[in-house]
Amino acid sequence: DAGVTQSPTHLIKTRGQQVTLRCSPKSGHDTVSWYQQALGQGPQFIFQYYEEEERQRGNFPDRFSGHQFPNYSSELNVNALLLGDSALYLCASSSRIRENTEAFFGQGTRLTVV
Amino acid sequence: GESVGLHLPTLSVQEGDNSIINCAYSNSASDYFIWYKQESGKGPQFIIDIRSNMDKRQGQRVTVLLNKTVKHLSLQIAATQPGDSAVYFCAEIVYGGATNKLIFGTGTLLAVQP
Repeated sequence: DAGVTQSPTHLIKTRGQQVTLRCSPKSGHDTVSWYQQALGQGPQFIFQYYEEEERQRGNFPDRFSGHQFPNYSSELNVNALLLGDSALYLCASSSRIRENTEAFFGQGTRLTVV
Repeated sequence: GESVGLHLPTLSVQEGDNSIINCAYSNSASDYFIWYKQESGKGPQFIIDIRSNMDKRQGQRVTVLLNKTVKHLSLQIAATQPGDSAVYFCAEIVYGGATNKLIFGTGTLLAVQP
């Protein structure tokens, strides 16, 4: 049973460009959350998707957007990249049906903006 | 505002000793807490959780203690091993309507000396 998978693992982009990160949740999970983890910091909640809709959002600008597909996989899009967007982007999946279930994290995508 | 923080950013212990990692939280309404372990290049991995109606919960070599009076969590690792070297985060679940999100602290680096 595959866990949460993210792609790509590493990415280098130039300021002003746009990037798309992808996540496939753990089998049986229907909810996907995205987190941004700056170096030496704890992950910060970006947003959460369930039933193909954004359900909750953290304190991130509109440059950060997402999407969830019918197979529960998800994308995170960041427009007009800034140097400060360089971070590890983590995807976590969980089951909406079972409250307070453990959230499983992927290995993350390391984004470097130059 | 919401915040979960750690008292000690770095903890160095000898192999075989017990480790104690501390965490303070600010949201007195939180009722579910999780400890995560994050190894270099990997996403956070669930270790143990505890609900606010409990003071203590034990797992395999790990124990979590919750003191709601002073809003303090601790993670105790018995007989620490080199494989325990990682960054440890406490996190609280914050509910937002039909969804929830994790609020992470900054993290404590546990270094196990052989």
